[in-house]
Amino acid sequence: DGGITQSPKYLFRKEGQNVTLSCEQNLNHDAMYWYRQDPGQGLRLIYYSQIVNDFQKGDIAEGYSVSREKKESFPLTVTSAQKNPTAFYLCASSIARAAFFGQGTRLTVV
Amino acid sequence: AQKVTQAQTEISVVEKEDVTLDCVYETRDTTYYLFWYKQPPSGELVFLIRRNSFDEQNEISGRYSWNFQKSTSSFNFTITASQVVDSAVYFCALSEAPAASGGSYIPTFGRGTSLIVHP
Repeated sequence: DGGITQSPKYLFRKEGQNVTLSCEQNLNHDAMYWYRQDPGQGLRLIYYSQIVNDFQKGDIAEGYSVSREKKESFPLTVTSAQKNPTAFYLCASSIARAAFFGQGTRLTVV
Repeated sequence: AQKVTQAQTEISVVEKEDVTLDCVYETRDTTYYLFWYKQPPSGELVFLIRRNSFDEQNEISGRYSWNFQKSTSSFNFTITASQVVDSAVYFCALSEAPAASGGSYIPTFGRGTSLIVHP
């Protein structure tokens, strides 16, 4: 089936650790995005990528890093520099001006 | 800069009531796209509709309808005869045309409206 797969669904991180969230799509979309969702704040853009080997910072990129080595994959690393990483993370890809989302990863710092 | 406002934080209705979710947007562009997404408790955002700025026709899809009015910069969403399964958070979003040719349309989201439908 075509779609966007995020893994894991739940992730627990100890303070000071880096963690990587996976996002894979088999829709052949060029553009991919990472959003962060906090209660009552909607979705905020972390990073986006229009093509392979290119990506741009969004509104809240500090403490995060990404790579786009393959069209299908756009992993997000939450580094120890991100002071408040507990949130719900959503990956999306887009075509025809519409973004389609994965099921999300809920990250909790313990 | 683009901005989307969903003033209703939470709406509570009883099953079979009609409900309208408001969305007001701000943009300086003449070319833009508007969207509605549904986020059920599972978390995934489900795409509902896309509307471009040149198409002001209202749209109906089953119990769902959308009213796009450029004069008031609004793109409201109405659910007719609501059902318990409609309970979710609904997001309105806006994408402006990219500044450069070949650039991406980056959706900006409102804060969402939580709809609770009671049986």
